[in-house]
Amino acid sequence: QVQLVESGGGVVQPGGSLRLSCAASGFSFSSYDMHWVRRAPGKGLEWVASIRYDGSNKYYADSVKGRFTISRDNSKNTLYLQMNSLRGEDTAVYYCAKDRVSSEAFDIWGQGTKVTVSS
Amino acid sequence: QSALTQPASVSGSPGQSITISCTGTSSDVGRYDYVSWYQHHPGKAPKLIIYEVSNRPSGFSNRFSGSKSGNTASLTISGLQAEDEADYYCSSYTRSTVRVFGGGTKVTVL
Repeated sequence: QVQLVESGGGVVQPGGSLRLSCAASGFSFSSYDMHWVRRAPGKGLEWVASIRYDGSNKYYADSVKGRFTISRDNSKNTLYLQMNSLRGEDTAVYYCAKDRVSSEAFDIWGQGTKVTVSS
Repeated sequence: QSALTQPASVSGSPGQSITISCTGTSSDVGRYDYVSWYQHHPGKAPKLIIYEVSNRPSGFSNRFSGSKSGNTASLTISGLQAEDEADYYCSSYTRSTVRVFGGGTKVTVL
C-alpha cells in the first residue's frame, strides 16, 4: 500500500527551528520527485518546496526561501523539511506529497503534521 | 507568486452539476497542460482528482471532469452527492515557481 507518513510537527517559538520527516512506503521512493505543501488556518494550500528524485535539484516558494531546506535520504525512504527562523505565518499543517511522473501533479499525500509557531 | 483565482464558494443541490473555475495567466494555466485538481476534506489527506487538465486517476469517479480554455481551467462535478462537499483546489505547473495553487473553493451540497 502506497503511504506517506509525516512527523515532527509541534509548537515552536518564533525564530525557532523544526525538522519534519515524511516516511514513504509501498513505492520506489528513489524514483520520484517529492514535495512539501502546507495549509495555514483559514487559508488554502500553498506549495512550499520540491526536490528531484535524486536530490539533484531543489525548489522553494519565495515565502520560505533561505529559511527552509528540503532534503531526502533514499536509503531510508524518507523526505525531510528543515525549517529555521520560523515565523507566525509558517503556522500550518504540512503535507508531503509524491509526484506523478510526467504529469506535474501530486498523486499521493500524507495526512499532514501540524506546526504552530507561537510564543 | 500569485495564486490562481478560484471562486471562494460554489453550491448545488444533490444531483445537479456545478463548475469551478481556475484562472491563471499565460505563464501557467495558459502555457502548460499541467493543470491538476484536488479534493480536500479538512483533517484528511488531499486527493488528486484530475491531472493534465482532464485526466482522472485510476478508479476515481467519472462524475468529475476537467477542461481548459485559454488561461482558465474548469472542474465540473456532475450528479452532485453529499460526499462531494469539500474544498477543491486547482494547481498548475509554472516555470518560474514550479507549482502554484488556486485559493480554493468550498463546495456546499444544499
